[in-house]
Amino acid sequence: DAGVTQSPTHLIKTRGQQVTLRCSPKSGHDTVSWYQQALGQGPQFIFQYYEEEERQRGNFPDRFSGHQFPNYSSELNVNALLLGDSALYLCASSLRGGAGDEQYFGPGTRLTVT
Amino acid sequence: AQSVSQHNHHVILSEAASLELGCNYSYGGTVNLFWYVQYPGQHLQLLLKYFSGDPLVKGIKGFEAEFIKSKFSFNLRKPSVQWSDTAEYFCAVNGGGGFKTIFGAGTRLFVKA
Repeated sequence: DAGVTQSPTHLIKTRGQQVTLRCSPKSGHDTVSWYQQALGQGPQFIFQYYEEEERQRGNFPDRFSGHQFPNYSSELNVNALLLGDSALYLCASSLRGGAGDEQYFGPGTRLTVT
Repeated sequence: AQSVSQHNHHVILSEAASLELGCNYSYGGTVNLFWYVQYPGQHLQLLLKYFSGDPLVKGIKGFEAEFIKSKFSFNLRKPSVQWSDTAEYFCAVNGGGGFKTIFGAGTRLFVKA
């Protein structure tokens, strides 16, 4: 039973560039949430996708956008990268994404912006 | 706005010592509460959760947490820690039936053998 997978593992980008991160949910899951984890901090909720739509969003600017595909996999896009976007980006999947549901996390993508 | 505060950023204990990690949240309505753990080199995983009923919740590996509504707290406990409990522990809250989960900053626990 495959867990949550993310790609790439590491990424280095330059300020102003754009980046796309990818996530495949755990088998049987239909909901994907994205989090940003800065060094020494807990994960911060970016947004959640369910049925190919953004269902809820955290306090992140419009530079952060996403997509969910019919097979439930998801992408996180960040435009006009800033140095402050350097962080570990985590993907978490669940079934229906309800408030009390357990989330299964992937290993993360480490993004460094120079 | 919802927030979660974890009292200790770093805790060092000897094996067999008792553990209590503090967690307070700010949200006045119905909440779902979680403790997640990240062992070295592994993904974040659920340790235990509370969403209703008995405020004393038991999780994996002998951990438990108590929800005290009047104190807005959800402290994690274990009577006797083991070296293998060395990890980072995150308290999280989901309030109001929404889909947004708020995490605390985490507590790094190191257990000396």
